[in-house]
Amino acid sequence: DAKTTQPTSMDCAEGRAANLPCNHSTISGNEYVYWYRQIHSQGPQYIIHGLKNNETNEMASLIITEDRKSSTLILPHATLRDTAVYYCIVRVANYGQNFVFGPGTRLSVLP
Amino acid sequence: GAGVSQSPSNKVTEKGKDVELRCDPISGHTALYWYRQSLGQGLEFLIYFQGNSAPDKSGLPSDRFSAERTGGSVSTLTIQRTQQEDSAVYLCASSPKELAGGRADTQYFGPGTRLTVL
Repeated sequence: DAKTTQPTSMDCAEGRAANLPCNHSTISGNEYVYWYRQIHSQGPQYIIHGLKNNETNEMASLIITEDRKSSTLILPHATLRDTAVYYCIVRVANYGQNFVFGPGTRLSVLP
Repeated sequence: GAGVSQSPSNKVTEKGKDVELRCDPISGHTALYWYRQSLGQGLEFLIYFQGNSAPDKSGLPSDRFSAERTGGSVSTLTIQRTQQEDSAVYLCASSPKELAGGRADTQYFGPGTRLTVL
């Protein structure tokens, strides 16, 4: 699976959009971009995933560049409860394959 | 609906004792995964089940670790002769079997069991 690079930490003001970047310059054509988050003392939570097109759901939006070498997770109106570690994972959509979680980005939403 | 549940939520044991950790996946999910997370570290994959069989046991750190799954549902992770380095949060995840391209391999995690070996 392709390696990802994320900033170690970010701050965001409550109510503002949080934009979390992820670089995956070695991504292969059949690899998806997944985002999970882990709030303190909880298990990881699925947020969103995509292949080529931008995706949006009730939690977030995922913007993938045309060359697929980077992506951005957008939380449109961050709340204090969005404070968590956010993981960007690139892998094939292979049923039964484990996810490899790197260090992620620690997002702190500030009041 | 109900998510993945794990029990106990916390387990404190003495070095050398055996422990059993339980995972109840989301109903109907055929794939089940065990991970562990040491303090301040990322997730470490342990084992994957498809139904009751375990095609991938590559992550089990030693032969003291074993896992089983019965009825395609509940799974138990057993650690024999626990050591202090086994202290971690043990996480279970499950995923449904759907058509490729959908959320087929999205994994849904439980809250974890925090194991402390004294």
